[in-house]
Amino acid sequence: GNSVTQMEGPVTLSEEAFLTINCTYTATGYPSLFWYVQYPGEGLQLLLKATKADDKGSNKGFEATYRKETTSFHLEKGSVQVSDSAVYFCALSDQGSSNTGKLIFGQGTTLQVKP
Amino acid sequence: DTEVTQTPKHLVMGMTNKKSLKCEQHMGHRAMYWYKQKAKKPPELMFVYSYEKLSINESVPSRFSPECPNSSLLNLHLHALQPEDSALYLCASSRKKEASTDTQYFGPGTRLTVL
Repeated sequence: GNSVTQMEGPVTLSEEAFLTINCTYTATGYPSLFWYVQYPGEGLQLLLKATKADDKGSNKGFEATYRKETTSFHLEKGSVQVSDSAVYFCALSDQGSSNTGKLIFGQGTTLQVKP
Repeated sequence: DTEVTQTPKHLVMGMTNKKSLKCEQHMGHRAMYWYKQKAKKPPELMFVYSYEKLSINESVPSRFSPECPNSSLLNLHLHALQPEDSALYLCASSRKKEASTDTQYFGPGTRLTVL
């Protein structure tokens, strides 16, 4: 079945450091890929998405490229801020035969940015 | 406007109580979802409504009873819950579940504690 694997956290960085959070997936067909962010005590917010191979999603300085050849959707940011501290979830849309619209989430990666 | 609202923000209930969670969106979305999220885990899908009809029940115990009175509202009725049901309950909506490229927009969640 479809699945998403994220690097385990927590990831601890100093402010202005470069961020990479790895995400790989297993899926049939051509799923859409998403990154969601969850700040402490809040719901999930869409950070960015990509719907087909080689698409690059970007938002608030974050980027991720849909790589079909490596089945990856790694999240990057050139210079993190303390306010980026949160849990990041990689997800794909389930395109199984029933086309449920179900999101398959990775386990989440906690990012801690220190001043 | 990509806002999904949920009430209440926090709820404490006993195992014999009956309570309801409410979710509302005014984006014209025709698919709505309930998720359950335990601490430090990704959200788990519970129910999907498509065009006000229940289309997916992920084998959720009958003590959880969803209802979609109209295209903007989604309720989750709770009865005879167990302490292990304590979690963050998230509502989400998307334009329609059949489109795998659609984005699910999440509400802030209701933090439920069962005593």
